[in-house]
Amino acid sequence: EAQVTQNPRYLITVTGKKLTVTCSQNMNHEYMSWYRQDPGLGLRQIYYSMNVEVTDKGDVPEGYKVSRKEKRNFPLILESPSPNQTSLYFCASSPFRDSTETQYFGPGTRLLVL
Amino acid sequence: AQTVTQSQPEMSVQEAETVTLSCTYDTSESDYYLFWYKQPPSRQMILVIRQEAYKQQNATENRFSVNFQKAAKSFSLKISDSQLGDAAMYFCAYRSYSGNTPLVFGKGTRLSVIA
Repeated sequence: EAQVTQNPRYLITVTGKKLTVTCSQNMNHEYMSWYRQDPGLGLRQIYYSMNVEVTDKGDVPEGYKVSRKEKRNFPLILESPSPNQTSLYFCASSPFRDSTETQYFGPGTRLLVL
Repeated sequence: AQTVTQSQPEMSVQEAETVTLSCTYDTSESDYYLFWYKQPPSRQMILVIRQEAYKQQNATENRFSVNFQKAAKSFSLKISDSQLGDAAMYFCAYRSYSGNTPLVFGKGTRLSVIA
């Protein structure tokens, strides 16, 4: 089954404790992206990657890191989480040159930083 | 930069009736894609419908259809024969044709369906 998976789905942590949210897709998509969703703000892009070893900042990259060592994986790293990073996070992927330009979303990761 | 505006934070519709969700966007580009995503209580983002800007014909997917007015930069979603399962947050989104740009989302419209 074609899908985007994220782990963990729920996470409670404390300020300053490094964490990683994994994202994996099995569709051989070139393009992958991380979004955060906050009430009243919709979804905002954090980082994106057009292919292996190619990453770039989105609209709200501060406090986050990403890596793209393999095509299928795109982990989101919070080196020193803070309470303002409490949010719902989505990973998404799409074929880079697909004319539909449809992004497929993972199930979301709800993060609470105390 | 592109922006997407959904002016209705909340809407409600009677079961079996029709409802229209509004979306306007701002762009200087001529080629782009527009989407409506549905987010039910499970929080998953589900693609509802997609429209290519170069197509004049409005996209339709079963009970969902759009009214795409390119000159007015308007992209409304019509849900016909509303069902209880349609209750969700609906997001309008824009993406440039170039492919290396993000989806730009509106802030969403929460749709309630009344039995």
